[in-house]
Amino acid sequence: NAGVTQTPKFQVLKTGQSMTLQCAQDMNHNSMYWYRQDPGMGLRLIYYSASEGTTDKGEVPNGYNVSRLNKREFSLRLESAAPSQTSVYFCASIHRVTEKLFFGSGTQLSVL
Amino acid sequence: GENVEQHPSTLSVQEGDSAVIKCTYSDSASNYFPWYKQELGKGPQLIIDIRSNVGEKKDQRIAVTLNKTAKHFSLHITETQPEDSAVYFCAASMGSAGGTSYGKLTFGQGTILTVHP
Repeated sequence: NAGVTQTPKFQVLKTGQSMTLQCAQDMNHNSMYWYRQDPGMGLRLIYYSASEGTTDKGEVPNGYNVSRLNKREFSLRLESAAPSQTSVYFCASIHRVTEKLFFGSGTQLSVL
Repeated sequence: GENVEQHPSTLSVQEGDSAVIKCTYSDSASNYFPWYKQELGKGPQLIIDIRSNVGEKKDQRIAVTLNKTAKHFSLHITETQPEDSAVYFCAASMGSAGGTSYGKLTFGQGTILTVHP
């Protein structure tokens, strides 16, 4: 039982490049989330998915797209990376009954 | 939208002392207040949470208190140990039935706790 798994762990991009951050959970959770963490700012919600087939914007969605591929997987795409997107990205999922949020170990992304 | 302020930004204590971290929130509709511990290179881990119908909750050396009138909540760690050293985050959300909204958290800025042996 791995919980929430994110890949890759580290990535360096050049401005304008694209990439997809992958996230999968094996806890049969319905809702999944993408957060970014910047120094001194805590974590901020980018996008979330209440269930398979649905996605909604969070606090800071600009420059990102998401796909809820199936119940297990929720990916985050940067179409044209910018230095302002340098951050640590966390995927999370929530247990419907306990209503507790579980985080993955993060992807550290640098955009040069 | 919701705004969560967390203080202090850094906290240094001696092993065995108590540590207190405080947060205030702006939206009176918020009803769920978790605390997360984040160790270096890892994701945040839930350590305790409280809902607005409860004033205090304890789990061994950790306790959380909530004052809805003043819109603030606090984390108390007693008998601190070096392994308590980490970054702690408070958060708030307006949870409703079904679970999804509980995960739409607004986080504080974090507190770096250092426990000296």
